[in-house]
Amino acid sequence: AAGVIQSPRHLIKEKRETATLKCYPIPRHDTVYWYQQGPGQDPQFLISFYEKMQSDKGSIPDRFSAQQFSDYHSELNMSSLELGDSALYFCASSFRVPGNTIYFGEGSWLTVV
Amino acid sequence: GQQLNQSPQSMFIQEGEDVSMNCTSSSIFNTWLWYKQDPGEGPVLLIALYKAGELTSNGRLTAQFGITRKDSFLNISASIPSDVGIYFCAGLGRSNFGNEKLTFGTGTRLTIIP
Repeated sequence: AAGVIQSPRHLIKEKRETATLKCYPIPRHDTVYWYQQGPGQDPQFLISFYEKMQSDKGSIPDRFSAQQFSDYHSELNMSSLELGDSALYFCASSFRVPGNTIYFGEGSWLTVV
Repeated sequence: GQQLNQSPQSMFIQEGEDVSMNCTSSSIFNTWLWYKQDPGEGPVLLIALYKAGELTSNGRLTAQFGITRKDSFLNISASIPSDVGIYFCAGLGRSNFGNEKLTFGTGTRLTIIP
């Protein structure tokens, strides 16, 4: 079965640069979530989208933005990167019905140097 | 905000032993999910629980959704080397925006001693 696809898997950027992460949800899933996981930490919720509209917002910095496109894929844009942004970024998707489950991609590892 | 307390933080067991971990919350959740994460990989869904009191098994894994909807446990029977990893509970509930939000527990790191 198709899973959540994230790209790139690994990314190295310098401070103050910009990075874009992409997420392709499971087919027919209408909701996308973004999480950030620092070393040894549990995943922290950043932002989510339902039917291309922002549905919830967590601890996403103002330097970050995201959107969901008409084909339901989503992109997380990170600007003015800081060393502390180095983390594993996960995208997850679900289909919004009662009792839905949320499936995660394999993550994009961002290293800021 | 919603917080999930997961315990124990880490476990060191021998192969073949049974494992038990749990999550408690100050808030009510509509769904409890248990994930396993290997280093550098995404969380993989193990079990999903949708109703208070529900007991669900997936092979050697058994999980229950607490009656109060504020807790859940996961048991692993007869552990094997591939069980090594970090286990996260996650609760699906309503956020301040009125939408569903997944909140993670702090994780249980399982290590199997040779």
